[in-house]
Amino acid sequence: ETGVTQTPRHLVMGMTNKKSLKCEQHLGHNAMYWYKQSAKKPLELMFVYSLEERVENNSVPSRFSPECPNSSHLFLHLHTLQPEDSALYLCASSQDWGAQYYGYTFGSGTRLTVV
Amino acid sequence: DQQVKQNSPSLSVQEGRISILNCDYTNSMFDYFLWYKKYPAEGPTFLISISSIKDKNEDGRFTVFLNKSAKHLSLHIVPSQPGDSAVYFCAASAGGGTSYGKLTFGQGTILTVHP
Repeated sequence: ETGVTQTPRHLVMGMTNKKSLKCEQHLGHNAMYWYKQSAKKPLELMFVYSLEERVENNSVPSRFSPECPNSSHLFLHLHTLQPEDSALYLCASSQDWGAQYYGYTFGSGTRLTVV
Repeated sequence: DQQVKQNSPSLSVQEGRISILNCDYTNSMFDYFLWYKKYPAEGPTFLISISSIKDKNEDGRFTVFLNKSAKHLSLHIVPSQPGDSAVYFCAASAGGGTSYGKLTFGQGTILTVHP
């Protein structure tokens, strides 16, 4: 596979559940990102990882917990979410953190619905 | 505080005509601007970019114009094709300051090109 792959594509979870979103990139990039896209809102940056270290946490509630075990994989662990957390969660990667001049490569996203 | 704004939620044009998508920004530290295109059920894909040292960048049917004094940029698509129908996101980044290393997105404009 090439590019950025996200699984699952769709997820429905109850407010008491624990689930994880997975992102994998096959581009040899060193930086990975989680973005949230809510209806009619701009993409909101959640977390940035550079060389497997978290370099940005954009005031995200602790019910979202990221994990980057290596430069190719990024997880977003979810627990006790609220219905307003329902959104499209997008993973992206770039050659290096700060290399935004080349743009990001995005995955197709996980559509999350919290019931 | 939304630093990147796309004030037109939607735009409808006839095939063969010009599409003009607009974007305004407030952060004077932004020095690089990008446009992304997003189809339903897919992640955003990079389209074209421009550095703040330029006022125009052209790539085939796509041209981006930057007016730094007005803090405004626009994307021109000519001629427009039905396959251009998608959501277009404007994004900006900075070489320093609190916006370093991350893209700030607008809320998107839905472009519909009618045959």
